[in-house]
Amino acid sequence: NAGVTQTPKFRVLKTGQSMTLLCAQDMNHEYMYWYRQDPGMGLRLIHYSVGEGTTAKGEVPDGYNVSRLKKQNFLLGLESAAPSQTSVYFCASGSPASSYNEQFFGPGTRLTVL
Amino acid sequence: TQLLEQSPQFLSIQEGENLTVYCNSSSVFSSLQWYRQEPGEGPVLLVTVVTGGEVKKLKRLTFQFGDARKDSSLHITAAQTGDTGLYLCAGRTTSGTYKYIFGTGTRLKVLA
Repeated sequence: NAGVTQTPKFRVLKTGQSMTLLCAQDMNHEYMYWYRQDPGMGLRLIHYSVGEGTTAKGEVPDGYNVSRLKKQNFLLGLESAAPSQTSVYFCASGSPASSYNEQFFGPGTRLTVL
Repeated sequence: TQLLEQSPQFLSIQEGENLTVYCNSSSVFSSLQWYRQEPGEGPVLLVTVVTGGEVKKLKRLTFQFGDARKDSSLHITAAQTGDTGLYLCAGRTTSGTYKYIFGTGTRLKVLA
């Protein structure tokens, strides 16, 4: 099993450009999450999904959109990138059936917006 | 808005010393988790505590959930260089969904 994978691993954008980050999980998890990690701020939840076809806003959703058309995939879109969106982005998945409520994280995508 | 504050933010100690990391909030959480993150990787779960006052031990690591489920601590006994990393606490919100608020993180460096 690959677990949670993220593509791309690195990306540099210019202000105003758009891009989509892809997260895929092969554990049949119902829940998926997108976080951003900035120095000194831990992880902040951008959007999350509790099932295929559903999404919800997290703590810092502005400037991002998401879609979950298939259970195994969760896409994060930036329509018009801004320097403030320079960050490391992590995707995670989890299942309510898990006794430990564990979230499994991907390796991250490092995004720089110039 | 639920917030989790971790202290200290940075900690540098010698191998063999003991240390405690704190995770505090004014909000109640359904459960609390501790993760460890290595450079260039995603966080990995260490433990989940659910009941107020609960104590869990994982080898040299002891985790405690506060009686009121608003705070938690992580104690490491006889730290080793392999304990070096970023430690994050995460509280599950009481809203009924599996949504987590992460703490600000404690970066630990254990020196040989």
